[in-house]
Amino acid sequence: EPEVTQTPSHQVTQMGQEVILRCVPISNHLYFYWYRQILGQKVEFLVSFYNNEISEKSEIFDDQFSVERPDGSNFTLKIRSTKLEDSAMYFCASSESRLAGANEQFFGPGTRLTVL
Amino acid sequence: GDSVTQMEGPVTLSEEAFLTINCTYTATGYPSLFWYVQYPGEGLQLLLKATKADDKGSNKGFEATYRKETTSFHLEKGSVQVSDSAVYFCALSDRYGGSQGNLIFGKGTKLSVKP
Repeated sequence: EPEVTQTPSHQVTQMGQEVILRCVPISNHLYFYWYRQILGQKVEFLVSFYNNEISEKSEIFDDQFSVERPDGSNFTLKIRSTKLEDSAMYFCASSESRLAGANEQFFGPGTRLTVL
Repeated sequence: GDSVTQMEGPVTLSEEAFLTINCTYTATGYPSLFWYVQYPGEGLQLLLKATKADDKGSNKGFEATYRKETTSFHLEKGSVQVSDSAVYFCALSDRYGGSQGNLIFGKGTKLSVKP
């Protein structure tokens, strides 16, 4: 069964460093998403991506964040200068469609980012 | 804005007990409602969904009914198993409302089922 994969499973970094989180969405999906979950809090939407550009982004997704689809398979989230408050589980998701009701998003297992 | 509120966990039950996890929502449009489950070490998996009022979603013995009058989507299962131990997330997708099709999640409820 096709699945979304994410690497690494756990990333530890120093404050101020750049990190890149990687995702491989399901191959025939067209819409890609990043969400994050700070420990003990809600899963929060960060950004959606379609046709090689950002569709929507939340208030969390400021200039420190960027997304890219560098080739036909990978979808990356870059944090330019990490802060302590960026420590969270980051989930990648993909879907065939964004239609309400058909909007089944398939999630990866997540990358736990720890900023020291 | 749109939001989801679900009951705080953790919830601990004995095998074969009845499960209810409450979920209520606030939305400006006509949301679709979802329950996702996360087993230890894995990603979020769609458990069931309902796209309009009075729809009932069901899967693996779990059920939830979309109640517009009470803005609720409570998850139920008649007889839980140890293998149901996981974190359950209620979510909505409101294409014509604030979230514009992206998922808005509740905090998650951790369920532990003891043999």
